[in-house]
Amino acid sequence: GAVVSQHPSRVICKSGTSVKIECRSLDFQATTMFWYRQFPKQSLMLMATSNEGSKATYEQGVEKDKFLINHASLTLSTLTVTSAHPEDSSFYICSALEGKGYNEQFFGPGTRLTVL
Amino acid sequence: SQQGEEDPQALSIQEGENATMNCSYKTSINNLQWYRQNSGRGLVHLILIRSNEREKHSGRLRVTLDTSKKSSSLLITASRAADTASYFCATTNQAGTALIFGKGTTLSVSS
Repeated sequence: GAVVSQHPSRVICKSGTSVKIECRSLDFQATTMFWYRQFPKQSLMLMATSNEGSKATYEQGVEKDKFLINHASLTLSTLTVTSAHPEDSSFYICSALEGKGYNEQFFGPGTRLTVL
Repeated sequence: SQQGEEDPQALSIQEGENATMNCSYKTSINNLQWYRQNSGRGLVHLILIRSNEREKHSGRLRVTLDTSKKSSSLLITASRAADTASYFCATTNQAGTALIFGKGTTLSVSS
């Protein structure tokens, strides 16, 4: 199957700093990528849909100025957590839509963000 | 928002036993998917069942779908310790693109 990578896999930062997480589709072009957030022992919550070359669509309750998403190319989407606070600590997972068949999504391995 | 509810939330069984997880959802669907997540890792797609299908098999996995009851079940037969993971059902959002996940079932298989 198609491969999606995320970088970094883990990041620890101080409160008030910004953190950028990259999501790459390695062997296919993804016009659409998604960002999810997962708290410990909970399910994945969709944060936003990222479309190449256009603004991201955010889910209700997700602050777009807090979670900046840029989908600059067909293989890269970035999520920047601005002015991070401890409550932003979470597991962030991206997925990419390959656009074939029934549009199976391929997930990245996730990024563990810890804000001190 | 979450679409589905899985039950049980947690399931502990012995190797060789079968594990059954259930998922209920709220809106009409085109298909329903099951994913697996090992602790602290990304998701692995297991199986997709379309709304016009009632049952689907893949190796030791059997998925059923009852659209009249808005529910699905995932059966893992002859479980192994390596099956220990969280299992999520997912449907697509109104735009038909993003996945909406259920709360998940955490399966522990002991040897």
